[in-house]
Amino acid sequence: DAMVIQNPRYQVTQFGKPVTLSCSQTLNHNVMYWYQQKSSQAPKLLFHYYDKDFNNEADTPDNFQSRRPNTSFCFLDIRSPGLGDAAMYLCATSRDRAPETQYFGPGTRLLVL
Amino acid sequence: AQTVTQSQPEMSVQEAETVTLSCTYDTSESDYYLFWYKQPPSRQMILVIRQEAYKQQNATENRFSVNFQKAAKSFSLKISDSQLGDAAMYFCAYRSADNNNDMRFGAGTRLTVKP
Repeated sequence: DAMVIQNPRYQVTQFGKPVTLSCSQTLNHNVMYWYQQKSSQAPKLLFHYYDKDFNNEADTPDNFQSRRPNTSFCFLDIRSPGLGDAAMYLCATSRDRAPETQYFGPGTRLLVL
Repeated sequence: AQTVTQSQPEMSVQEAETVTLSCTYDTSESDYYLFWYKQPPSRQMILVIRQEAYKQQNATENRFSVNFQKAAKSFSLKISDSQLGDAAMYFCAYRSADNNNDMRFGAGTRLTVKP
């Protein structure tokens, strides 16, 4: 089935140790998004790619970066994770910009020790 | 900036009965889209139903329907004949119709279904 895949599902890292989360999609969608979701909270958009164009949210910390080497893959890099970065990270895609529906991956739960 | 409010952190319903989840939003735009997403425990978020603001008719998907009141900026979700598999976190979301890709989510409502 066409879908949004996130690896790994669970990631443990140490305080300050860089970590990369990955997302891939078989939907051939133009737009890919990264959300941060803390426990019992709504997802918060970090940034998105429209094709190769990167769009950062104004309040996304510089500690968070992203790469999209091709249509299918998108990576979230956390350069120096802090305890406050422990969260579920959701990848989503949409065929195009608004008003297209977003399709979500299962998420990667990040634990920072 | 648009905001989405879900005033019910938790709701419960008896299996086979009907439950309504509330959502209100604040916007100055006239053209936008509203969504209800379902996030089961430890599973991915999936779209339940979507409503275009320019449509007066309320969207319906099988047992799920919405009551969209544009003037009141209200967008409630009704689940009929509730099933155990409906237990999940439900998020209401707003998205502008322009090329601003920011989708605003409410804080969510946790729905419990009692057998």
